[in-house]
Amino acid sequence: QVTLRESGPALVKPTQTLTLTCTFSGFSLSTSGMCVSWIRQPPGKALEWLALIDWDDDKYYSTSLKTRLTISKDTSKNQVVLTMTNMDPVDTATYYCARTGGYSYFDYWGQGTLVTVSS
Amino acid sequence: SYVLTQPPSVSVAPGQTARITCGGNNIGSKSVHWYQQKPGQAPVLVVYDDSDRPSGIPERFSGSNSGNTATLTISRVEAGDEADYYCQVWDSSSDHRYVVFGGGTKLTVL
Repeated sequence: QVTLRESGPALVKPTQTLTLTCTFSGFSLSTSGMCVSWIRQPPGKALEWLALIDWDDDKYYSTSLKTRLTISKDTSKNQVVLTMTNMDPVDTATYYCARTGGYSYFDYWGQGTLVTVSS
Repeated sequence: SYVLTQPPSVSVAPGQTARITCGGNNIGSKSVHWYQQKPGQAPVLVVYDDSDRPSGIPERFSGSNSGNTATLTISRVEAGDEADYYCQVWDSSSDHRYVVFGGGTKLTVL
């Protein structure tokens, strides 16, 4: 079955760089059509899409955050990594990774990981 | 950038029908997907491609999309349907693609 799991620090300081890893199983990111995205949700607020990487290593970013984001994949390890630079308290959120089959709907989600930005 | 507008809240009595709207410019030309999110949990897909249901989602959940409004309809609402619901589409411009989520609607079962 398909599973995704996010991992990374629970606490980062302002101005630091956040690195999150999504480790997945049950599918391969080298399979045509497969994509993995990062999505975040500040406490009590709406979902916000951050970035996507596809099977062909094409990458797409949120327009408002693209200068701070980098997404990459390690197909051999079944991992997708997101880095976000210059973290700020407003970036405090639960960060999810999720799969799409093509540019469509998110059919599988990780459980999410809460990242708090505080000094 | 493309904007999806949802009502912040919808309230309905058990057994009644809930309708949650998602407004966007010519949204009828896009595929709309809907997610249910309960407190402390990850979102779950309940409707995709406007009106299809993933396996395991009750037939009570249905969707439609036309013009500038997409609608998620939940028939015979149950207490367990109380949750936040989000619509989602893809948009593109030149060589860029991006995902858009609506602001979410809190469904309260009275």
